[in-house]
Amino acid sequence: EAGVTQFPSHSVIEKGQTVTLRCDPISGHDNLYWYRRVMGKEIKFLLHFVKESKQDESGMPNNRFLAERTGGTYSTLKVQPAELEDSGVYFCASSQGEGYNEQFFGPGTRLTVL
Amino acid sequence: LAKTTQPISMDSYEGQEVNITCSHNNIATNDYITWYQQFPSQGPRFIIQGYKTKVTNEVASLFIPADRKSSTLSLPRVSLSDTAVYYCLVALPGSSASKIIFGSGTRLSIRP
Repeated sequence: EAGVTQFPSHSVIEKGQTVTLRCDPISGHDNLYWYRRVMGKEIKFLLHFVKESKQDESGMPNNRFLAERTGGTYSTLKVQPAELEDSGVYFCASSQGEGYNEQFFGPGTRLTVL
Repeated sequence: LAKTTQPISMDSYEGQEVNITCSHNNIATNDYITWYQQFPSQGPRFIIQGYKTKVTNEVASLFIPADRKSSTLSLPRVSLSDTAVYYCLVALPGSSASKIIFGSGTRLSIRP
C-alpha cells in the first residue's frame, strides 16, 4: 500500500511568488493534516481536514495560506504571495478514525523563499 | 496543553539498549503517550503508544510509571539505522490535532 506522498519534494521561489504544494493521503484515510517546520524550529500544526471539510484550521499563520481538499482525496496548500519567513519543510499526514490517532506522514516538501 | 520535556541529544553505540525519558508533569487523566521517530528528509513515523505500565511492540518498549508524569522509550540493541530524532507527544485520543505538540525531540546518534 502506498504511503502519503507529497509533491514537489523541493521548491525554490522568490518572495512574492505563488507556490502550491500537493499531498496525496493514504487511500481511505478521511483525515488529512498539514504541518510545517520553519527555521529549524518545532513541527507545528497548520490544519486538519475530515474528508473535504476543514475541521480545524487554527494553526494557519495568515490569509496568505489557502488549503483545499476538493472531493476529499488529495489536498493542496497554496502560499500566495510567499514571504521569506515561509521557508521551511511542510509535512502532510493522514489517519483513519475520528480525532487524533496514529498519523502517517509524508516525506515533506522543502520550501525555500529567496 | 500538556508540554513534554526531553533531552536534546543522546549518543550510544551499536548493540546497546537506549532509554529516552520524557517528562510530562501536566499530563491529563485520559491522555495517551505517543512516540514518533524521524529520519532526515522524512516525515515522523509512529513508533509506540501507551497509557500506563508497559507496552511492547516489535520496535520498542514504552515504560510508564504509576504517576504517569514521565515515560521512557526503550530501544533494544540499537543499530546505526536507529540514528534519528525521537519525539514524545501527549494527547487525548480523539482530540484535535491542533492540541498535539511535537516539541524539540531527542536527537539520538548511534556510533559503530
